[in-house]
Amino acid sequence: EVQLVESGGGLVKPGGSLRLSCAASGFTFSSYSMNWVRQAPGKGLEWVSSISSSSSYIYYADSVKGRFTISRDNAKKSVYLQMNSLRAEDTAVYYCARDDLGRHYFDYWGQGTLVTVSS
Amino acid sequence: SYVLTQPPSVSVAPGLTARITCGGNDIGYKSVHWYQQKPGQAPVLVVYDDSDRPSGIPERFSGSNSGNAATLTISRVEAGDEADYYCQVWDSSSDHLVFGGGTKLTVL
Repeated sequence: EVQLVESGGGLVKPGGSLRLSCAASGFTFSSYSMNWVRQAPGKGLEWVSSISSSSSYIYYADSVKGRFTISRDNAKKSVYLQMNSLRAEDTAVYYCARDDLGRHYFDYWGQGTLVTVSS
Repeated sequence: SYVLTQPPSVSVAPGLTARITCGGNDIGYKSVHWYQQKPGQAPVLVVYDDSDRPSGIPERFSGSNSGNAATLTISRVEAGDEADYYCQVWDSSSDHLVFGGGTKLTVL
């Protein structure tokens, strides 16, 4: 069974940093691109970042480029999101999602972790 | 950047057909994917590549895509279909993934 479990969310002050993790199981992690998608309270889905299976291709939404860094460790079957210079508008549930073999859609999602940026 | 436009809400009586549109410039040339999200839950893929269904998704869910609009069609709507629905594409010109704003489906 495919499972994606996010962790690392919490309350952080504006300008602060946070690192999210997503632990994968139930599939050959090293074969799949992985993504982060967020959802602000009461709002729609927003794609954040994507990383290819070997980390060769990395993409970011304009809203986070230069502040967030996606990475992965295939040996640990995990993907990470380092978030720096956090703003109030980064407050959201952050989901980890598996890209179906590079076809740019998400066939499995985690349950999400809440990040709250507030003083 | 590429923009996908969805109606904020669609209402339908049980047993009837719901159609949710997703507009975008020449969207017919892109692959469109659809997700269902119920309150407090993660999204679930219901249609991919315009009209294919993942295993476990009822045949009542179907999709089409042509010109400047894609459509998710839900036949014989049930109370359990009440949810938010999002369309999504990959914009290869910007290497960005784009979601529509979402449509709240209400079953009357």
